[in-house]
Amino acid sequence: DAKTTQPPSMDCAEGRAANLPCNHSTISGNEYVYWYRQIHSQGPQYIIHGLKNNETNEMASLIITEDRKSSTLILPHATLRDTAVYYCIVRPSTGANNLFFGTGTRLTVIP
Amino acid sequence: NAGVTQTPKFRVLKTGQSMTLLCAQDMNHEYMYWYRQDPGMGLRLIHYSVGEGTTAKGEVPDGYNVSRLKKQNFLLGLESAAPSQTSVYFCASSLRLAAYNEQFFGPGTRLTVL
Repeated sequence: DAKTTQPPSMDCAEGRAANLPCNHSTISGNEYVYWYRQIHSQGPQYIIHGLKNNETNEMASLIITEDRKSSTLILPHATLRDTAVYYCIVRPSTGANNLFFGTGTRLTVIP
Repeated sequence: NAGVTQTPKFRVLKTGQSMTLLCAQDMNHEYMYWYRQDPGMGLRLIHYSVGEGTTAKGEVPDGYNVSRLKKQNFLLGLESAAPSQTSVYFCASSLRLAAYNEQFFGPGTRLTVL
């Protein structure tokens, strides 16, 4: 089931921050928000995940709204190698570890 | 560590032929998965395994069988290939920790069924 909504495509200038939005208005209390990306035809790559607090790692930051109905993935200084399809996924913290991928957002970083 | 590897990288089959895709991981992960990705679409889960000797159906299991005889290997079989199974197949693995599910993906197998 598609539990997230993302814009199909976005552009970002190289060196600027890329802000990728995701709506997950039906998210349950025990569901995490995950972000993966897929560069060209490679296998998807994990970026970050969160439950209700904002998270940051070496790749990106994840901002989750207080009502948890939406989130934003932030790539602070986009490079050409960040051009990829970005997937926002919600899944429960228990049960099967399945990930349901939608169609994602195709981010193009422009020189 | 090689991570997740897939064999073969490319394959062309004729309708009705059979084949097995091999996935291997060297990270001692309990969980393994097979996905397919059709052009312009996200990945869809075919089958998964939560441990050696156990398998379960995913979102699109019809036409495929799987086996997990060893913890490090997960095999995906097509008994009678059909053109609708033309796709890119990705294998993934993860630790058993339910609250943190970073899945590590292989490079994919591009399969064409004529």
